[in-house]
Amino acid sequence: GDSVTQTEGQVTVSESKSLIINCTYSATSIAYPNLFWYVRYPGEGLQLLLKVITAGQKGSSRGFEATYNKETTSFHLQKASVQESDSAVYYCALSDPPMGYKLTFGTGTSLLVDP
Amino acid sequence: GPKVLQIPSHQIIDMGQMVTLNCDPVSNHLYFYWYKQILGQQMEFLVNFYNGKVMEKSKLFKDQFSVERPDGSYFTLKIQPTALEDSAVYFCASSSGLISNERLFFGHGTKLSVL
Repeated sequence: GDSVTQTEGQVTVSESKSLIINCTYSATSIAYPNLFWYVRYPGEGLQLLLKVITAGQKGSSRGFEATYNKETTSFHLQKASVQESDSAVYYCALSDPPMGYKLTFGTGTSLLVDP
Repeated sequence: GPKVLQIPSHQIIDMGQMVTLNCDPVSNHLYFYWYKQILGQQMEFLVNFYNGKVMEKSKLFKDQFSVERPDGSYFTLKIQPTALEDSAVYFCASSSGLISNERLFFGHGTKLSVL
């Protein structure tokens, strides 16, 4: 079946430093899945951070970026300078077009930004 | 922004009893979903629901599970009878459509503890 593997556990980064959360995917039945990053801020529900549905494209939101790399089957999340408000749990996910509702998630990466 | 509300946030129940998890989706959304996350594992798709019917369900959606949304009220997930392995956080989501780039809105989750 399909699977998503991302940086496990908790990542601690000092404020204003750069961040990368790794994500690789395996889509056995899908040539080009849709790729997503979702985020759960403390006390809030899971929400979409960014999505990319075309291989080779980059998505960006709130200073975060992720590029859909079909050669390496990766979709790493990066930010040049993190802020304390970025502390949250980040989930990489994929779905099978055209039905985008059935998401396959990674286990989540908890980001703690030290002030 | 639009919110999906889940009630209650935590439910503790004895094995074998019935439980109903309630979800108040975004008001103009037509498609509804349940996801399940066991502690330390990925969030996994359970079921999606549209126009009074289950459209698709995963192998995790056991015979003991049922979903309904009577008369536009709460979208519910009922488990009868419950088993120990049903202990998890259940996330409700909704969307206005099904196409690939449609955005899912998630609730905070209901933590179900089966004793």
